[in-house]
Amino acid sequence: NAGVTQTPKFQVLKTGQSMTLQCAQDMNHEYMSWYRQDPGMGLRLIHYSVGAGITDQGEVPNGYNVSRSTTEDFPLRLLSAAPSQTSVYFCASSRTGKETQYFGPGTRLLVL
Amino acid sequence: GEDVEQSLFLSVREGDSSVINCTYTDSSSTYLYWYKQEPGAGLQLLTYIFSNMDMKQDQRLTVLLNKKDKHLSLRIADTQTGDSAIYFCAESFRDDKIIFGKGTRLHILP
Repeated sequence: NAGVTQTPKFQVLKTGQSMTLQCAQDMNHEYMSWYRQDPGMGLRLIHYSVGAGITDQGEVPNGYNVSRSTTEDFPLRLLSAAPSQTSVYFCASSRTGKETQYFGPGTRLLVL
Repeated sequence: GEDVEQSLFLSVREGDSSVINCTYTDSSSTYLYWYKQEPGAGLQLLTYIFSNMDMKQDQRLTVLLNKKDKHLSLRIADTQTGDSAIYFCAESFRDDKIIFGKGTRLHILP
């Protein structure tokens, strides 16, 4: 039981490049979410999903896309990276939106 | 709006009690949480409280909830150096969103 896994651990992008941050969980959790963590800003919710095929926007969704084609995976896509997207990204999952969230180890993204 | 407020920094002497405070906005929140983040790591749930409770105790941790003032606190008794971390308050909303505060960095003085 690996819990929540995220890849890559670290990524450097140039402005305008695209990439996908991967997130997977093996706990059969319905609820998954993406957060970004910036100094002095805490954790801000980007997008979340209450189940396969369902996604919704969080506090800071602009510049990010998500999809939830399976229960296990919840990738986060940056279509055209900007320096303002330099951050640490955390994926989390839980059985429902009300229960304990389990966090992945994070992906550190640097956009030049 | 949806907002969770915390003070950003708290400094406490080893052995004393730490009290971390949080205010939230949504009176319909059902669950309120405290998460801990150690340096370079993800977040781990410390404890949570249902909105119909006033208090929850778990070993050295005591959570107090004042629904009237929308105020949540986390008390850590006998604070140790291993308690040094960032503590996040979070609330869940009816649409299953979970919103976090900015985090309180707890610094332990010898």
